[in-house]
Amino acid sequence: GEDVEQSLFLSVREGDSSVINCTYTDSSSTYLYWYKQEPGAGLQLLTYIFSNMDMKQDQRLTVLLNKKDKHLSLRIADTQTGDSAIYFCAERYTGTASKLTFGTGTRLQVTL
Amino acid sequence: EAGVVQSPRYKIIEKKQPVAFWCNPISGHNTLYWYRQNLGQGPELLIRYENEEAVDDSQLPKDRFSAERLKGVDSTLKIQPAELGDSAVYLCASSPGPGSYEQYFGPGTRLTVT
Repeated sequence: GEDVEQSLFLSVREGDSSVINCTYTDSSSTYLYWYKQEPGAGLQLLTYIFSNMDMKQDQRLTVLLNKKDKHLSLRIADTQTGDSAIYFCAERYTGTASKLTFGTGTRLQVTL
Repeated sequence: EAGVVQSPRYKIIEKKQPVAFWCNPISGHNTLYWYRQNLGQGPELLIRYENEEAVDDSQLPKDRFSAERLKGVDSTLKIQPAELGDSAVYLCASSPGPGSYEQYFGPGTRLTVT
């Protein structure tokens, strides 16, 4: 079965780097995703990584994947107040096409 | 390009009443998803459509929930009768096709059952 876990809360100061962590259980995951949800809004796809990659960088975002430990992280460089939101990790596994399994989300609070 | 459109954005109903949610996916997207997001949780898939066919409805509580996508474009999700535990945000998402790795979400409908 699939299960995705995240820590609930992270607080960082503006300008610092944020690292949001996620662990998953399904070794057959093909893609792993990071979504951002602002209050009252839907989910915005931030980035994704294919399971045969170790790292992906996209502007201020860096995704690291450790397949051995089934650990995924999202690093946000130079965190801004506009980055305050809930961040969801999700996995897509080969058992069912297109189905995403989400974690519970990590609330990122950026302080001045 | 317009994103996924959902209406209404908010709905408050009394228990045992029916309710319906509407979704218009991104133009050209053949795959449509309905998710439910309980407070403090991530979204959970209810049903997935490929064009007008429901190909994964294993998580849909079929005793009270129903969905349709008659022409393979817009979709409606219905609950009848609603229960207190149905209070949640109902999210619609779409993607170009079953092999696509990207899903685009609408803003959701926040349902409150009193």
